[in-house]
Amino acid sequence: QKEVEQDPGPLSVPEGAIVSLNCTYSNSAFQYFMWYRQYSRKGPELLMYTYSSGNKEDGRFTAQVDKSSKYISLFIRDSQPSDSATYLCAMGGSEKLVFGKGTKLTVNP
Amino acid sequence: DTGVSQDPRHKITKRGQNVTFRCDPISEHNRLYWYRQTLGQGPEFLTYFQNEAQLEKSRLLSDRFSAERPKGSFSTLEIQRTEQGDSAMYLCASEGGHAYEQYFGPGTRLTVT
Repeated sequence: QKEVEQDPGPLSVPEGAIVSLNCTYSNSAFQYFMWYRQYSRKGPELLMYTYSSGNKEDGRFTAQVDKSSKYISLFIRDSQPSDSATYLCAMGGSEKLVFGKGTKLTVNP
Repeated sequence: DTGVSQDPRHKITKRGQNVTFRCDPISEHNRLYWYRQTLGQGPEFLTYFQNEAQLEKSRLLSDRFSAERPKGSFSTLEIQRTEQGDSAMYLCASEGGHAYEQYFGPGTRLTVT
């Protein structure tokens, strides 16, 4: 079993849709949970991070962590074509990050 | 631009050649990480530095790979006797004090022919 599991998609939605992206993990030592956005042939860009169970909101993005279920989510409201990218979940203890495979999202105008 | 920079952005080399990549982190960030990303996968940890000290190396980092961070500033990653399996995007990230705030550079895309 991989430490971090993420459905690679691809996921295709119409503009304005609510998008839900998810990851599960197996390592209870993970304390920090991040979401990165990666455009084709670019480096990952940090979107959101959290280190506790619960929700964290930033504009159209909401990150949710459920440590008891070892499950994290990213919700994107009112999705835009510019949100089309690969979304990577990442998590760690205090140093290196362990990434999921990434979910490729396409938002169609 | 005060972000992480990497050079070169692309490198094509023949199998058996040596290659060296450079990473310039965000100024004053004391931690620097190297990751490798292959098509359809997330980045995988290779190694990291706290200032000039290399503190951890992944099992992915074979003897052909070496990394340095002289004076705790920029870092270099060298691959000796490249193999086709080394073809990947090599990403550098820097962190100023919190593991959840790792900022990535644009990456160096290596193609070994």
